[in-house]
Amino acid sequence: GENVEQHPSTLSVQEGDSAVIKCTYSDSASNYFPWYKQELGKRPQLIIDIRSNVGEKKDQRIAVTLNKTAKHFSLHITETQPEDSAVYFCAASKTGGFKTIFGAGTRLFVKA
Amino acid sequence: EAGVVQSPRYKIIEKKQPVAFWCNPISGHNTLYWYRQNLGQGPELLIRYENEEAVDDSQLPKDRFSAERLKGVDSTLKIQPAELGDSAVYLCASSSQGPHRNNEQFFGPGTRLTVL
Repeated sequence: GENVEQHPSTLSVQEGDSAVIKCTYSDSASNYFPWYKQELGKRPQLIIDIRSNVGEKKDQRIAVTLNKTAKHFSLHITETQPEDSAVYFCAASKTGGFKTIFGAGTRLFVKA
Repeated sequence: EAGVVQSPRYKIIEKKQPVAFWCNPISGHNTLYWYRQNLGQGPELLIRYENEEAVDDSQLPKDRFSAERLKGVDSTLKIQPAELGDSAVYLCASSSQGPHRNNEQFFGPGTRLTVL
């Protein structure tokens, strides 16, 4: 069945360094890839998304890249700050009303 | 604009007891999702509604779980009877779907269920 794999499960970086989280998906028809940030005890919130007609998207310190051929997409956070510490989930879905499959999450620790 | 509202926020029950969760989606959002999130895991879809119709309930354990979305707005998710393994956070989300829209989902704060 459809599957999204996410790595690493835990990531610890020093403040100011970059963090990269990688995901692969199995359904080649997937065309929408959101990333959610979930702080402890809070709801997941969308931080950035990308559609399959785009290879890269950037929003300030956050960027996402997509390789459709490899069915692989990544989240890049530059100049990390302690408030970036959270669990990040990638997801894959198809537009038009289809199920969203979430990765298992990456717990990011940014050390001050 | 109010976000997705869920209640209760926390629920502790003994096994074999029934429990119900309520969700009020963002106004105008025709699609509503119920997810279960176990500790350290991503959300897993239980059921998805398009207006009042359940269009994907393949992951809903139908022997004990039920859901409804009367009038295509609020929704309730029920478990009867609850089992120890049902302890999790139950998240409701909503989105405004259409053939040319993305699937950005807005999540509620969740209901943390503990079954003793």
